[in-house]
Amino acid sequence: DVKVTQSSRYLVKRTGEKVFLECVQDMDHENMFWYRQDPGLGLRLIYFSYDVKMKEKGDIPEGYSVSREKKERFSLILESASTNQTSMYLCASSSPSERGAVAEQFFGPGTRLTVL
Amino acid sequence: AQSVSQHNHHVILSEAASLELGCNYSYGGTVNLFWYVQYPGQHLQLLLKYFSGDPLVKGIKGFEAEFIKSKFSFNLRKPSVQWSDTAEYFCAVLIRDDKIIFGKGTRLHILP
Repeated sequence: DVKVTQSSRYLVKRTGEKVFLECVQDMDHENMFWYRQDPGLGLRLIYFSYDVKMKEKGDIPEGYSVSREKKERFSLILESASTNQTSMYLCASSSPSERGAVAEQFFGPGTRLTVL
Repeated sequence: AQSVSQHNHHVILSEAASLELGCNYSYGGTVNLFWYVQYPGQHLQLLLKYFSGDPLVKGIKGFEAEFIKSKFSFNLRKPSVQWSDTAEYFCAVLIRDDKIIFGKGTRLHILP
């Protein structure tokens, strides 16, 4: 079974703090994604990565950055946390569809971040 | 623009009732479709997927979905729901570059 783990289930930070959210997958997937999930808005893509050192902006990248130094690990960074970044953050991984896979995404348990 | 539209934001049913959750997508490329489910306190997991072949797809826990290309729809169905089906359901479409667009979700509440 694919396993995607996230470093924290719950996190409370103060406005202006730098926040690191870590995600690790154990299935050798090339693709990794960060979403935020808010009630009534579904999942919105923040950043994604197709390979080590690669990153692409998603639909709502403002206020976030990412790092992918190793294939299995994808970090989301909030440079200066703000209250409007209070949300559930989900990490996902997938295989590339070019290899014949359907590129379905496997999700971690999520990190519920509260910024005070 | 690519998009996924789920018709209902909140559905309440009694146990044993039949379920149909609507989903329409807008995407001009090869269509790969998913339904994901998120049970209370659990992570998002795949319920079923369509990528080719039989447009009627069967998933876990007795769910099925039908891809109707002419209607750009991928509705989720279950003939008889259980209390344990209480969850949030997301329809999604795979677009270029392996990205997935998700609908806004439907919260399903089953009354015991």
